[in-house]
Amino acid sequence: RKEVEQDPGPFNVPEGATVAFNCTYSNSASQSFFWYRQDCRKEPKLLMSVYSSGNEDGRFTAQLNRASQYISLLIRDSKLSDSATYLCVVLPYSSASKIIFGSGTRLSIRP
Amino acid sequence: SQTIHQWPATLVQPVGSPLSLECTVEGTSNPNLYWYRQAAGRGLQLLFYSVGIGQISSEVPQNLSASRPQDRQFILSSKKLLLSDSGFYLCAWIGGRTNTGELFFGEGSRLTVL
Repeated sequence: RKEVEQDPGPFNVPEGATVAFNCTYSNSASQSFFWYRQDCRKEPKLLMSVYSSGNEDGRFTAQLNRASQYISLLIRDSKLSDSATYLCVVLPYSSASKIIFGSGTRLSIRP
Repeated sequence: SQTIHQWPATLVQPVGSPLSLECTVEGTSNPNLYWYRQAAGRGLQLLFYSVGIGQISSEVPQNLSASRPQDRQFILSSKKLLLSDSGFYLCAWIGGRTNTGELFFGEGSRLTVL
C-alpha cells in the first residue's frame, strides 16, 4: 500500500459546483497534514493546513479522519481559477523529516 | 524573509552526461531540505532529504546523489544521466528557526534528457 494515496482524477465539474476529494495515508502515527495546490508547470504552494477539528478558509474546507486515516478537501462554489492539481502532504509524527506527497488530484472547472 | 533559489531553471542534457542542480535557502537556519522529482503528469517523488550538514537520506534513485556542503545549500548530482531522469526537479525546505510546518518550494528545474 502506498504511504499516501489520492484519486488522480481528473475531476471535471461546472463552475459553481461543489467538489470534494480525499487522501488516505498508511502511517497511523502521522502528525501533520496539508493540502497544496499546483498549477501546470509550476511549483506546489500551500493551500491550507488540516487541523484535527477541521478547518475552513473561505470556500475551502479541510477535514481529518484519524480513525479511517484520511483527509479531505471540499471546495464550494468552484471558480474557473480553482482548476489545478491538489496534492495532499503527510508529515511523520516525530519530526518533519520524510515528507510524502500524494500523487495529486487533477481538477478542471468548466464554464 | 525566507527565500529559496534553485538553478538552472531549464536544461537539456544528452544521455550519459553529468548533472548538477543547486538549491540555496536564505533567511533561515538549520532547515530540513528536500529534492523531489515530478515526471510529466505524475506526482512528486521524494528523492533525498537532509536534516543537517552532511546528512543525506536517499529514498529512491540509483544514479542520482545529493550533498549538503553548507547549512543552506543542497545539491543534486548525477555522473551519467538516463532518459528516465527527465522531469521537473523541485527543491524544498521546512523548519529552521521560523518553522510554521509549511514546506516551501523553489521554482523548479526542468530537465530533458535526450
